[in-house]
Amino acid sequence: GESVGLHLPTLSVQEGDNSIINCAYSNSASDYFIWYKQESGKGPQFIIDIRSNMDKRQGQRVTVLLNKTVKHLSLQIAATQPGDSAVYFCAEILNSGYSTLTFGKGTMLLVSP
Amino acid sequence: DTEVTQTPKHLVMGMTNKKSLKCEQHMGHRAMYWYKQKAKKPPELMFVYSYEKLSINESVPSRFSPECPNSSLLNLHLHALQPEDSALYLCASSPGSGGPNEQFFGPGTRLTVL
Repeated sequence: GESVGLHLPTLSVQEGDNSIINCAYSNSASDYFIWYKQESGKGPQFIIDIRSNMDKRQGQRVTVLLNKTVKHLSLQIAATQPGDSAVYFCAEILNSGYSTLTFGKGTMLLVSP
Repeated sequence: DTEVTQTPKHLVMGMTNKKSLKCEQHMGHRAMYWYKQKAKKPPELMFVYSYEKLSINESVPSRFSPECPNSSLLNLHLHALQPEDSALYLCASSPGSGGPNEQFFGPGTRLTVL
């Protein structure tokens, strides 16, 4: 289930389950969104992106959904594996000229074998 | 080469020390970034360099001084830091043209200020 910890929301799932991580973004003018995965002691790693003229994009085991009406982004991970355990950040780009990112708060995904 | 490298991996410094963080990429990217990340928080943008010129400074204190010697290198010079500056410092790069693009992040430098 999902719980909100002192600083970071946490989603705990069993191996093989599908995971859904949600994100509310702030600026209706944002035109590009990225999901990053950050493992302990490492920098953020690109997972998947979506432009504002799309509402769904699929990758390998991952799908991103964009609902511009309510400024909501979600990341779906199919058949979650222990190696998926990490913190997941959504990020929106507000300034197309410099690709400056504004990150969401992040969600920690914990996958149990 | 699709990597952003950062050195050192760990740095411990006193409040009177002067040190530098280094970042390097060989992807031909023309935009480079410095972020600060505290534990269990998202990265916060500090500086943006575009075509080797400082284009964004997010009101960062002057004890942090960025430098871009060439299109592949980005430094962050540190002087008279405070213990609250202890954090993970991340460097990133992006193509810098052709519209918004993903940023590629380095592994970060874990900084501890005593």
